Amino acid sequence: EAGVVQSPRYKIIEKKQPVAFWCNPISGHNTLYWYRQNLGQGPELLIRYENEEAVDDSQLPKDRFSAERLKGVDSTLKIQPAELGDSAVYLCASTGPGGLFNGELFFGEGSRLTVL
Amino acid sequence: RKEVEQDPGPFNVPEGATVAFNCTYSNSASQSFFWYRQDCRKEPKLLMSVYSSGNEDGRFTAQLNRASQYISLLIRDSKLSDSATYLCVVNSGRLAFGKGNQVVVIP
Repeated sequence: EAGVVQSPRYKIIEKKQPVAFWCNPISGHNTLYWYRQNLGQGPELLIRYENEEAVDDSQLPKDRFSAERLKGVDSTLKIQPAELGDSAVYLCASTGPGGLFNGELFFGEGSRLTVL
Repeated sequence: RKEVEQDPGPFNVPEGATVAFNCTYSNSASQSFFWYRQDCRKEPKLLMSVYSSGNEDGRFTAQLNRASQYISLLIRDSKLSDSATYLCVVNSGRLAFGKGNQVVVIP
């Protein structure tokens, strides 16, 4: 069974440029998460979707970040314009029913962003 | 105060030795607890859940102390392949990750 797929794996852009990341969760997983992980830190939640609804976006910097999951399957996270401090690994994860209860998030390999 | 706190280390451990580390959490209403493992430049993966009565999985033992609001992980007979960062994860309505304990097993 395919895992969580993310693209691109690596992206280097200049500040003020836009960037987008794509995620395809495990088939049948209704809950999708975007996390950001800075060097030496744990992942921090940006947004959580239940199907196509964003149920927790309280930590998403809405002035420059946006996300969508239009059909309740794959998702896109966008940053516009990017700032130097946005350099990080953006991790997508998904869970099936009972995901938070059993704690098993399935992460993708991440998209490593470098802003110059 | 951060929701989940861990001493990042590194914890340098001779091969075959035992290493243990704790993680403290701030929300007394937290419902469930987990340890994740993250290898260098890889994604985190679930290592084990932490139950109130404590639990073992091979050489790994996890404990929960609700009164003092900490969880612990103990690794016995350390292997070189145990070198990784161990992330403490607390569920209090959303999964909150600590910054991790970096373990380096030395031959």
